[in-house]
Amino acid sequence: DAGVIQSPRHEVTEMGQEVTLRCKPISGHNSLFWYRQTMMRGLELLIYFNNNVPIDDSGMPEDRFSAKMPNASFSTLKIQPSEPRDSAVYFCASSLRDRGSDTEAFFGQGTRLTVV
Amino acid sequence: AQSVTQLDSHVSVSEGTPVLLRCNYSSSYSPSLFWYVQHPNKGLQLLLKYTSAATLVKGINGFEAEFKKSETSFHLTKPSAHMSDAAEYFCVVSRNLGGHTGFQKLVFGTGTRLLVSP
Repeated sequence: DAGVIQSPRHEVTEMGQEVTLRCKPISGHNSLFWYRQTMMRGLELLIYFNNNVPIDDSGMPEDRFSAKMPNASFSTLKIQPSEPRDSAVYFCASSLRDRGSDTEAFFGQGTRLTVV
Repeated sequence: AQSVTQLDSHVSVSEGTPVLLRCNYSSSYSPSLFWYVQHPNKGLQLLLKYTSAATLVKGINGFEAEFKKSETSFHLTKPSAHMSDAAEYFCVVSRNLGGHTGFQKLVFGTGTRLLVSP
């Protein structure tokens, strides 16, 4: 398996533009997580999907952020409009939820977003 | 609520000497605890996990951690550091999302950067 695949690896955009980050989880995994990593706040969970349904989105910063999981093999995180303070590394992770608990979370390589 | 505290932001060791990265947890019940490693410009990789089985957990690359309930600690150790161990290490606790969903989320510590000198 190729692991969790994120694209793009790097994104530089101007303030006010829409940004879409993409994630392909590991085949067979039914839980998907979006995390954001910054120097100031460390690693924060933004949203958690299970079986394509958002379970917890309390970490989504504000309405400018939205996430979708239209099927088991694809998820997007969208920021519109983007702001400089959104600059961070965004990680996608997936795991298998079995018998009421999640197994190890496997992380993608991350997308480094820079908003200028 | 479950949380973890990593006591050192940076740890410096010489190659071949022991490594100790400290982590204390706070939990109202028996927690699931993990250590993840992040190499520069890379994603996070699981080193080891504790899920209420043996208190001494062995992980990859010679790392191990001991769960000590009396001290609420889960320190990460390695007998002999290698240059390739230089990375950022995260102590992580699994926290219930609340309600009766049974869903949990990973709560990360602030990280400890391990520096290994020749």
